[in-house]
Amino acid sequence: GAGVSQSPSNKVTEKGKDVELRCDPISGHTALYWYRQSLGQGLEFLIYFQGNSAPDKSGLPSDRFSAERTGGSVSTLTIQRTQQEDSAVYLCASSLQGAGANVLTFGAGSRLTVL
Amino acid sequence: GNSVTQMEGPVTLSEEAFLTINCTYTATGYPSLFWYVQYPGEGLQLLLKATKADDKGSNKGFEATYRKETTSFHLEKGSVQVSDSAVYFCALSDLTQAGTALIFGKGTTLSVSS
Repeated sequence: GAGVSQSPSNKVTEKGKDVELRCDPISGHTALYWYRQSLGQGLEFLIYFQGNSAPDKSGLPSDRFSAERTGGSVSTLTIQRTQQEDSAVYLCASSLQGAGANVLTFGAGSRLTVL
Repeated sequence: GNSVTQMEGPVTLSEEAFLTINCTYTATGYPSLFWYVQYPGEGLQLLLKATKADDKGSNKGFEATYRKETTSFHLEKGSVQVSDSAVYFCALSDLTQAGTALIFGKGTTLSVSS
């Protein structure tokens, strides 16, 4: 597509429920990134995919967080047993290759609120 | 590890004032440096970048020079407008670790009044 598409744009859930956030990157972009944006915390790196593999999972905050990417395209970020501290905007970005040389294009984000 | 430190906001200026937002970095290797901007209600977008020492990135009247000796990439604009009100993020990537994601600072909120 023309840009990075994320869904849902807003999600309100109850503590303890699982949520799935979806990212559809720009067609042809091999690299895909998830970040979390919280008030006062800036942009926190979560995970990076090159194709379908994730060489860098260092940013996932706990084992309740997981992500997958299939077909080198769409990615899903799953948060299990959500907690109130998971409330944030989850941003997805893609680039032609690794961020070393290329510019990231960001989606509009998925705002998650955990009650 | 690699990191980015930028001045905390909010920064409040009057229209046509001079803007500086400080950014310093710590990195192994030879990073590229970026400024991203997030306008109210919109996603992050690249403002400018510099890929090697002494390079100057510029866009929309904003400039930043890659200073290796001071490990800095300060953002400047000579005359800000109300439409520049946004959150500005400094970021780096390390070319020796191809594929590593961008590392962002915490962001600086700029508010410009008329």
